[in-house]
Amino acid sequence: DAKTTQPTSMDCAEGRAANLPCNHSTISGNEYVYWYRQIHSQGPQYIIHGLKNNETNEMASLIITEDRKSSTLILPHATLRDTAVYYCIVRNQTGANNLFFGTGTRLTVIP
Amino acid sequence: KAGVTQTPRYLIKTRGQQVTLSCSPISGHRSVSWYQQTPGQGLQFLFEYFSETQRNKGNFPGRFSGRQFSNSRSEMNVSTLELGDSALYLCASSARAVNTEAFFGQGTRLTVV
Repeated sequence: DAKTTQPTSMDCAEGRAANLPCNHSTISGNEYVYWYRQIHSQGPQYIIHGLKNNETNEMASLIITEDRKSSTLILPHATLRDTAVYYCIVRNQTGANNLFFGTGTRLTVIP
Repeated sequence: KAGVTQTPRYLIKTRGQQVTLSCSPISGHRSVSWYQQTPGQGLQFLFEYFSETQRNKGNFPGRFSGRQFSNSRSEMNVSTLELGDSALYLCASSARAVNTEAFFGQGTRLTVV
């Protein structure tokens, strides 16, 4: 699975959009981009995933660049409950279900 | 439907003892994965089971083992506990055999003293 690079930490004002970047320059054609988050002392929570098109669900939007070397997770209206560590993971489509978590981005939503 | 259930939630053991942790996946899910989370190493993959077979294993010593039952419930066992085994142990279940979203339990917090 391709390696990812994320900023260590970010702050966001409550009610504003949180944009979390992820670099995955070695991604290959059959690898998906997955995002999970982990709120303190809880298990990680699936957010969204995509291959090359932008994706949106009730939690977030995922924007993947045309060359697929980077992506951005967007939380449109951040709330205090969105404070968590966000993990960007690149997975081979034919791979098993094991996930390789990096260090993630610690997002702090500020009142 | 019910989520992933891990028992117990908290556990304190003494060095040298062994421990068994349990995970009940979401109904209908056949893949169960185990992870260890420590402040120093982060979230690390231990092993994955699908239909009672271990398919993948992370880089952990043989003291860490697991199994999956015919009802997809899984257990992991750690023998000869060391202080460094203190961690949050997380279980995740997935519906399909490959590359699908994983649903995590709340974890078991193991403290070795």
